[in-house]
Amino acid sequence: GEDVEQSLFLSVREGDSSVINCTYTDSSSTYLYWYKQEPGAGLQLLTYIFSNMDMKQDQRLTVLLNKKDKHLSLRIADTQTGDSAIYFCAEKGPGGYNKLIFGAGTRLAVHP
Amino acid sequence: DAGVTQSPTHLIKTRGQQVTLRCSPKSGHDTVSWYQQALGQGPQFIFQYYEEEERQRGNFPDRFSGHQFPNYSSELNVNALLLGDSALYLCASSSGQGYTDTQYFGPGTRLTVL
Repeated sequence: GEDVEQSLFLSVREGDSSVINCTYTDSSSTYLYWYKQEPGAGLQLLTYIFSNMDMKQDQRLTVLLNKKDKHLSLRIADTQTGDSAIYFCAEKGPGGYNKLIFGAGTRLAVHP
Repeated sequence: DAGVTQSPTHLIKTRGQQVTLRCSPKSGHDTVSWYQQALGQGPQFIFQYYEEEERQRGNFPDRFSGHQFPNYSSELNVNALLLGDSALYLCASSSGQGYTDTQYFGPGTRLTVL
């Protein structure tokens, strides 16, 4: 079935690294995405990774993909208070088009 | 370059009423997808429009219908509103034939059903 799971909450100190984890079920997923949602706002695309990659780095963001375990992670280096938000992992669903299947989101709280 | 826009921002309706939400895609995009995000949950796919036709649909009843116009903008219609339809409705646009391209989201329309 289609299911993406994430831990619901993460609290980190400002300046530390944050790691948000996600597991997905569809082994045929070709693209996996990370979106950020601030209170009362829509979803902002942070980054994505193609399934033939193990890692992707984009400035403070590092995405790691373990296809064998169907595990995806997002590492945010030097976490700032502005990074406080909900982070959603999403996989491209079956059917040949780019329907996205989202997890429930991980709320990241950054404290001084 | 304008991103994805949605209107209205907020909407309050009563049970049994009908509602229409609107979306204008990002410039250069021709595919529009709609998602429902209930409070505390991730977005759930409703359907996707390309070339003015619905080409993929999620697990939503027929009360949810849509339309895409020649200028690629789209509407989401919900009939016979239920309390459980209260949610943030998100529109996302993408380009090309829709398989490999990335979706960009609008700010959403917050629907409250009383």
